[in-house]
Amino acid sequence: EVQLVESGGGLVQPGGSLRLSCAASEFTFRNYWMSWVRQAPGKGLEWVANIKQDGSEKGYADSVKGRFTISRDNAKSSLYLQMNSLRAEDTAVYYCAQWRGAQSEFESWGQGTLVTVSS
Amino acid sequence: DIQMTQSPSSLSASVGDRVTITCRTSQSIMIYLNWYQQKPGKAPKLLIYAASNLQSGVPSRFSGSGSGTDFTLTITGLQPEDFATYYCQESYSATITFGQGTRLEIK
Repeated sequence: EVQLVESGGGLVQPGGSLRLSCAASEFTFRNYWMSWVRQAPGKGLEWVANIKQDGSEKGYADSVKGRFTISRDNAKSSLYLQMNSLRAEDTAVYYCAQWRGAQSEFESWGQGTLVTVSS
Repeated sequence: DIQMTQSPSSLSASVGDRVTITCRTSQSIMIYLNWYQQKPGKAPKLLIYAASNLQSGVPSRFSGSGSGTDFTLTITGLQPEDFATYYCQESYSATITFGQGTRLEIK
């Protein structure tokens, strides 16, 4: 069974930075696009970013473009999200998700990690 | 960006009922529409992909239909474990969009 385990969440002040990690196992990580999806408390799902198998293509939601950077290390089967210039509206549970690429679905999800941006 | 309109936003039903949730998009997305179930405090779970394909392991009481701009998720014979929030998601565009969600509650 696919395993995706996020870590790195926590409390950070507005304007601060945080790096999320997602450790993947039980599937061939390098064969999949990967994504981050977030969910603010009591709200719906919002796609954040995705990255191609070899890291050569990346996409971002307008709400995070220029502030967040997605990356991956296929040797470590790990996905990352570097979040800079954090705002209160970035407060959410962040999920990593396995994605097959364009015109496909989020096949498996991690359990999520909570990021709280507050002074 | 593609706009998604999911309805209703909430729904009350009884065990054994048949319920339908609708998702409408602002432009044609062909069949690139997926459905997820989310229970409180849990990650979303894929139910239906490409409008009508049942994900492995998902009970057959769940079904999806539609193409273009209008899609439906139908649950036939509601079970207690089906009371949750459901989201549609388009995968046609480069900027992926989710519907607002439908909260399915016990009547």
